[in-house]
Amino acid sequence: GDKVKQSPSALSLQEGTNSALRCNFSIAATTVQWFLQNPRGSLINLFYLVPGTKENGRLKSAFDSKESYSTLHIRDAQLEDSGTYFCAAGPNSGGSNAKLTFGKGTKLSVKS
Amino acid sequence: GGIITQTPKFLIGQEGQKLTLKCQQNFNHDTMYWYRQDSGKGLRLIYYSITENDLQKGDLSEGYDASREKKSSFSLTVTSAQKNEMAVFLCASSITGVGNTLYFGEGSRLIVV
Repeated sequence: GDKVKQSPSALSLQEGTNSALRCNFSIAATTVQWFLQNPRGSLINLFYLVPGTKENGRLKSAFDSKESYSTLHIRDAQLEDSGTYFCAAGPNSGGSNAKLTFGKGTKLSVKS
Repeated sequence: GGIITQTPKFLIGQEGQKLTLKCQQNFNHDTMYWYRQDSGKGLRLIYYSITENDLQKGDLSEGYDASREKKSSFSLTVTSAQKNEMAVFLCASSITGVGNTLYFGEGSRLIVV
């Protein structure tokens, strides 16, 4: 099975609403990165997490290494939030980015 | 800020052909990476390089060669293009070390006819 499982695989939101994306890990992750792939194709880093929580504007992410999951909360969704969100798990805090395992992504569409 | 430039954006080749993708970064990052993205799948690492002239294999290196000609550039060669290799190839870079995130280019789409 998938080592990094993202849910849901696709999501449609009305502008102004809130939602949460989730990653479950079947590997021993000690770091998590969240990315948004924009329509041009580039992945933009949203968060780099060790266990705990981070917030940036309307986005908030949490990583629980003991329960092996991470969440990305989107508050007051805007049209520009549309795209595919990827999480990537790092196997240890001293490891390089070369050891990242990516999930398959959550495709988010925000509609007006 | 910096930028990662991938060329070409679309690469069309024939089956069996040797095809090369190029990547340039002006972040002055030590480490560069090539990932393959297939539709509906996560990114998989092909090759990475931690410094000029260094090469390290990723999970998907078979059928590919790479070259880190200088710190700012990293190229990827598909040694014999196959139709099942049509995918988007993403180049990334980062500072080497803990807590340093990846910065990505916009991708190059490989089309094999």
